[in-house]
This record gives sequence, C-alpha cells and structure tokens, in this order.
Amino acid sequence: TQLLEQSPQFLSIQEGENLTVYCNSSSVFSSLQWYRQEPGEGPVLLVTVVTGGEVKKLKRLTFQFGDARKDSSLHITAAQPGDTGLYLCAGSYNQGGKLIFGQGTELSVKP
Amino acid sequence: DTAVSQTPKYLVTQMGNDKSIKCEQNLGHDTMYWYKQDSKKFLKIMFSYNNKELIINETVPNRFSPKSPDKAHLNLHINSLELGDSAVYFCASSQVLGLSTGELFFGEGSRLTVL
Repeated sequence: TQLLEQSPQFLSIQEGENLTVYCNSSSVFSSLQWYRQEPGEGPVLLVTVVTGGEVKKLKRLTFQFGDARKDSSLHITAAQPGDTGLYLCAGSYNQGGKLIFGQGTELSVKP
Repeated sequence: DTAVSQTPKYLVTQMGNDKSIKCEQNLGHDTMYWYKQDSKKFLKIMFSYNNKELIINETVPNRFSPKSPDKAHLNLHINSLELGDSAVYFCASSQVLGLSTGELFFGEGSRLTVL
C-alpha cells in the first residue's frame, strides 16, 4: 500500500508567521497536487507539480516538488486568518490515474 | 452554476437502513469518483468510473454499490448501513490525461450519520 505522509497534522499560528507543510512518500509520483478544504466544502485544487525540482508560486504560497519526485512542500509566507483550512497533498503513481491523498494538515491562523 | 452537485447534503439514518447519494457534474468530464472522508479528515478513494465504466474499485464492502447511468451522473447506494459508515462522502470529477489524474473537482460533500 502506497502511503503519503503529511506533516504536521495540526498547526496553529499567529497572523504574520511563516509555515511549511511537508508531504513525503517512498514511491515516485508522476504528479502531485495540493488542495485546500474549508469546513462544509469539498477540496479545491491549489496547484499541480509534475517536474522534479519544480517550484510554483501562488501569491504567498510556494510549492516545491522534490528532485526525486518523492516529496513536496508547501510554504506560506505571512499567514493570514483567511489561510485557515485543511491542506491536502495528493499524488498520482502512474497506476491508471488513481489519486492518493495524504492525511491532511489542519491550519489555524489566529488574528 | 454548480459544477459538481451532490444530494443530499446531510443524511441521518438508523443502522440497517438503505440509503442513496446522487451526484451530477456539468463539466463534461469523462471520469467521476466517490471518496470517503472519515472523522480524522482522511480522504480515501472508493470508486472511479470512466464513461460509465467502473475502473477503480477499492476494498469497499459490497454493501456499497455505485451506478453511473451516464457520464454526467454517479450515484452511490449503501445497503444495511453500519455505524462505521458514518462519514462525509465526496463526489468528484476530472478529465484524466494519460496516466496522470487531472484536477479533481469536488462536490460539497454528503454527511452521513448512522445512529
């Protein structure tokens, strides 16, 4: 069974702080996605990374794909209360497109 | 105009009952999914259909039976509900590109509570 380990599971910080969420696997991904889920809603895609070493930026969010395509990180600069939510990484392992999700990171940003 | 809509949003029922959740997508995608999110927020795939054909069937009790009457609809019927079935069930759709999965568009979820 392929697992995606995400850490930390919970994160509570003050507005303005920086944070990093990690997503790791022992297997190589063909692609990796990051989603954000708010209470009572479904996850919404933030980014897809495909190439090893790839870095993508979305305003204050920076996504990095490891060189070996086994890990990824999400860095948020100067977090705001609006960033509060559940962040999920999801990887595709070249097995007919099945997407495996990590356990999620619940982020709470306090004003 | 909702892209992926599922009904009902909330479902409270007794153990042993049978219930269904319906899902429709208006994105023109070929592939639809059912995911189960447990109380720890872990999201696990249950089924995937491509153009009405079952392509992914994870280790799910056969009390769960998906049905896709056409590529825009994927319903989930659950027989003999058990306490452990309580969860939020998400429908999603995507346009699969080769061996990689494209963006998943999720519905708002159906929260099932079995008493």
